[in-house]
Amino acid sequence: QKEVEQNSGPLSVPEGAIASLNCTYSDRVSQSFFWYRQYSGKSPELIMSIYSNGDKEDGRFTAQLNKASQYVSLLIRDSQPSDSATYLCAPILGSSNTGKLIFGQGTTLQVKP
Amino acid sequence: DTGVSQDPRHKITKRGQNVTFRCDPISEHNRLYWYRQTLGQGPEFLTYFQNEAQLEKSRLLSDRFSAERPKGSFSTLEIQRTEQGDSAMYLCASSPIQGGYTFGSGTRLTVV
Repeated sequence: QKEVEQNSGPLSVPEGAIASLNCTYSDRVSQSFFWYRQYSGKSPELIMSIYSNGDKEDGRFTAQLNKASQYVSLLIRDSQPSDSATYLCAPILGSSNTGKLIFGQGTTLQVKP
Repeated sequence: DTGVSQDPRHKITKRGQNVTFRCDPISEHNRLYWYRQTLGQGPEFLTYFQNEAQLEKSRLLSDRFSAERPKGSFSTLEIQRTEQGDSAMYLCASSPIQGGYTFGSGTRLTVV
């Protein structure tokens, strides 16, 4: 089993809808998770972090962590065309004391006007 | 501070040549990471520095790759005898002890 798994997509949603991006992880990762957004040809940009079970909201973004089911998700409310990008799930490797992030392959989101 | 800087932004080189990339991290961050990313994949870990010490290196990294961080400031990544399979985006990131990374803009390497 891969340490981090994401559906590569593309996930297509209409403008104004809620986009739901999911990520499952193995026992080898820690409980600290980061979501990055990456526009085509650009480097990843940190948008959310979540460390404890439950929901964390920041503007239009909500991160959800469910430790029992080993998944973490990112919800984007009122999706805009500018949200079209690849979203990378990145937990810290559990055995590492270096803060090393393990990245999923990313889910491509397309928001259609 | 303007964030993490990487130089050059693009590099085209002939197979067999050596290339060197530079990364200037955020000054107050003592952790520095190098990643490589190919099309359609997430970033893949290459190596990690805490201050000037290189504390971890990916087992996937061949001996042709070497990295340094003299004096715990900027870092360089050198690839010797480049191969076409080395073509990728090379990303540098820095972080404080706790928290997520800040990535630089990356160096896109094309080996022809």
